[in-house]
Amino acid sequence: SYVLTQPPSVSVAPGQTARITCGGDNIGTKSVHWFQQKPGQAPVLVVCNDSDRPSGIPERFSGSNSGNTATLTISRVEAGDEADYYCQVWDSRSDQGVFGGGTKLTVL
Amino acid sequence: QVHLVESGGGVVQPGGSLRLSCAASGFAFSNFGMHWVRQPPGRGLEWVAFIRHDGSITFYADSLKGRFTISRDNSKSTLYLQMTSLRVEDTAVYYCAKDLDFVDYMDVWGTGTTVTVSS
Repeated sequence: SYVLTQPPSVSVAPGQTARITCGGDNIGTKSVHWFQQKPGQAPVLVVCNDSDRPSGIPERFSGSNSGNTATLTISRVEAGDEADYYCQVWDSRSDQGVFGGGTKLTVL
Repeated sequence: QVHLVESGGGVVQPGGSLRLSCAASGFAFSNFGMHWVRQPPGRGLEWVAFIRHDGSITFYADSLKGRFTISRDNSKSTLYLQMTSLRVEDTAVYYCAKDLDFVDYMDVWGTGTTVTVSS
């Protein structure tokens, strides 16, 4: 089955840029979606189809996808961005959804 | 306003069964695919199942090995997850999520219902 690999944790100072990666075999050929999950809350979609932002998501959130790595970039990080972030794709070979293991973003 | 509310969670013994429901409102439920996703305590998200808008196509995670069944009643705007032969490792918060269309992406999530499998 298809595997997505994320770093367990990323730390960044307020105002800086956070980059969270999601690795997968030829992931650049798939559509990657990113979710933010704060403690005790349901996940929220923050980037879809590699780089699109749903309504209501700040422009500080952006995404890219090429080769074997997709990246979620959060510019001008704020304390409120501290959360777990998950990448997700649909694996059409197995007809299953796949999530990465999640990355905990800590704002120093 | 799109709203998804799960129910039916609880404590069940290993080997038991449980049916979860997800009541939808604020959108044309019958036009959209739906997912179930679960999250074991302290762990990451795990995709469980998907059903097409009309119920004609379903997909499941391999790990479930036929123990779970996803279904829907469009006349009641409700999604279901029938879980059988439950195991301790099925303990999790179970979320329903609306798809943009057909295995596109999960654009709206419910708040989740907790299932605990324990003797």
